Amino acid sequence: NAGVTQTPKFQVLKTGQSMTLQCAQDMNHEYMSWYRQDPGMGLRLIHYSVGAGITDQGEVPNGYNVSRSTTEDFPLRLLSAAPSQTSVYFCASSREGEAFFGQGTRLTVV
Amino acid sequence: QKEVEQDPGPLSVPEGAIVSLNCTYSNSAFQYFMWYRQYSRKGPELLMYTYSSGNKEDGRFTAQVDKSSKYISLFIRDSQPSDSATYLCATSDYKLSFGAGTTVTVRA
Repeated sequence: NAGVTQTPKFQVLKTGQSMTLQCAQDMNHEYMSWYRQDPGMGLRLIHYSVGAGITDQGEVPNGYNVSRSTTEDFPLRLLSAAPSQTSVYFCASSREGEAFFGQGTRLTVV
Repeated sequence: QKEVEQDPGPLSVPEGAIVSLNCTYSNSAFQYFMWYRQYSRKGPELLMYTYSSGNKEDGRFTAQVDKSSKYISLFIRDSQPSDSATYLCATSDYKLSFGAGTTVTVRA
């Protein structure tokens, strides 16, 4: 039972580079979301999706894009990485408020 | 104003003490109330989940929700060093809103 799988676990990027964080779930949940977690800030919602083909912005969407072509996958794209995007990123899949999180991606932008 | 405000920590207690964690929320449309536990360098994991006002117990953990005052609490009885973690409250209408988290250390 995989649950929510995030890749990669660690990544170092140079300023201006782009990359995609992958997220996949096998629980057939409609709702998926991406958060970033910074010290003292808790989990801040970046983007979310209520089903395939439907996405919306969260609290801190600037610099990130998402798409949801299938129920299972919800990738997060950094268009042009900036040092301010150094953070730990979590993908979550949920149903009726009960969320399951991936193990996180630790991203450093230098 | 954040939708969910959580009492700031950190909190340090001796083993066996009762840990009390509190949050307030602003949106009366929230229907689901959760507490997540997060160990260092791990993803959050669901600890308690309630739908309505009142108390819910699960072993040493009790979650309280008071919808009239928009207040949610988590109590940990007979705390153990293994309870040392960051605890995040969360509420949901169709999307989750999290508090900032309280780091708890239980001293042996």
